[in-house]
Amino acid sequence: DAKTTQPPSMDCAEGRAANLPCNHSTISGNEYVYWYRQIHSQGPQYIIHGLKNNETNEMASLIITEDRKSSTLILPHATLRDTAVYYCIVRVNSGNTPLVFGKGTRLSVIA
Amino acid sequence: GAVVSQHPSRVICKSGTSVKIECRSLDFQATTMFWYRQFPKQSLMLMATSNEGSKATYEQGVEKDKFLINHASLTLSTLTVTSAHPEDSSFYICSARVADRGASNQPQHFGDGTRLSIL
Repeated sequence: DAKTTQPPSMDCAEGRAANLPCNHSTISGNEYVYWYRQIHSQGPQYIIHGLKNNETNEMASLIITEDRKSSTLILPHATLRDTAVYYCIVRVNSGNTPLVFGKGTRLSVIA
Repeated sequence: GAVVSQHPSRVICKSGTSVKIECRSLDFQATTMFWYRQFPKQSLMLMATSNEGSKATYEQGVEKDKFLINHASLTLSTLTVTSAHPEDSSFYICSARVADRGASNQPQHFGDGTRLSIL
């Protein structure tokens, strides 16, 4: 079972920042927080991951609370192509451990 | 970045046919590959974990004789759906992680999926 809780859907105006929340209150000390997204009829796309520090890459920023019980994925300037289902996943730090997907958040970017 | 290629992208076949799906890591070696299945409007469900040179580990409820997995090299894993029936129609997605010491927190990379339709 997925160990994260996300809102089922969100809307965001094109050009604005999209802030996607995720609760992972039972996260263990060695579990990373991963974010993926899935555009319709495609495989999931890796976005970003982190352990406890905030992370930023060319796609997004990941803000993890100090107690690590929740995080927020930020898409700084959402475009229509960012419309997708976004999955927040926690995974133990072990090579053979797979990602377990929850239901994710369906983000709709509106023109 | 790491690329996972999956083939074919779409298959339509008659009931009773066996279908093979290939998953390749194009620019990295993958000791472990994962197979997922996704039904319409649902999330991805893990079917099995495939380890190079050894037997796959199947999730509860997934028939190992129905879904044959072979991981013969560090860049190729195959999933064969044997004697497929309409209820096997689904979106099958493979995933791989870089096989590198100390890379256990590296992300999994996914193929673009195979849409299987059994008539």
